[in-house]
Amino acid sequence: EAGVTQFPSHSVIEKGQTVTLRCDPISGHDNLYWYRRVMGKEIKFLLHFVKESKQDESGMPNNRFLAERTGGTYSTLKVQPAELEDSGVYFCASSQARSPGANVLTFGAGSRLTVL
Amino acid sequence: GQSLEQPSEVTAVEGAIVQINCTYQTSGFYGLSWYQQHDGGAPTFLSYNGLDGLEETGRFSSFLSRSDSYGYLLLQELQMKDSASYFCAPPYSGAGSYQLTFGKGTKLSVIP
Repeated sequence: EAGVTQFPSHSVIEKGQTVTLRCDPISGHDNLYWYRRVMGKEIKFLLHFVKESKQDESGMPNNRFLAERTGGTYSTLKVQPAELEDSGVYFCASSQARSPGANVLTFGAGSRLTVL
Repeated sequence: GQSLEQPSEVTAVEGAIVQINCTYQTSGFYGLSWYQQHDGGAPTFLSYNGLDGLEETGRFSSFLSRSDSYGYLLLQELQMKDSASYFCAPPYSGAGSYQLTFGKGTKLSVIP
């Protein structure tokens, strides 16, 4: 089966610009997660979709970040306007789990965002 | 709240055995997962312990003690390709959602 696909793999933008990251999860996976890793730091949870519904967006840093999952398929994460501290690698992951235990996440390769 | 403690870096010799420890504090515990991430790559699932004891998957084993809020990942017959970051990740449930909580991870360097 195809894995989790993310686009773009790398984006370099200037402070104040807008970037939209896209994630295509594994077909049939209702759960879709966004995580971010800043250099040398932890992989930090951003939000969780179940199908098209935002189940938990407690990790979203602020209202400059907007995530959508239209039709419960692919998801986009928009950063507008981007700030220097938004630089990092944004990972998308999907899973089939319907309970917390043994929730195996399959991650995409990540989108590296560099804000200058 | 959630907190995870892992050593930040570990260095071991090719062919040796290394143990990466993880202590956690989490509300509502469902088990402990381990993920591997090579530089520039995606985190990939290694193992999951839902119950106390040892789980073995090839060269990798993972152990959990709920009473001690402690787990470890054991890597045997180390190979150069095992150089990567390793994360313990307890599943977390809250606000009607369930996700994995990752810490800063342990960077393993395997040397010849």
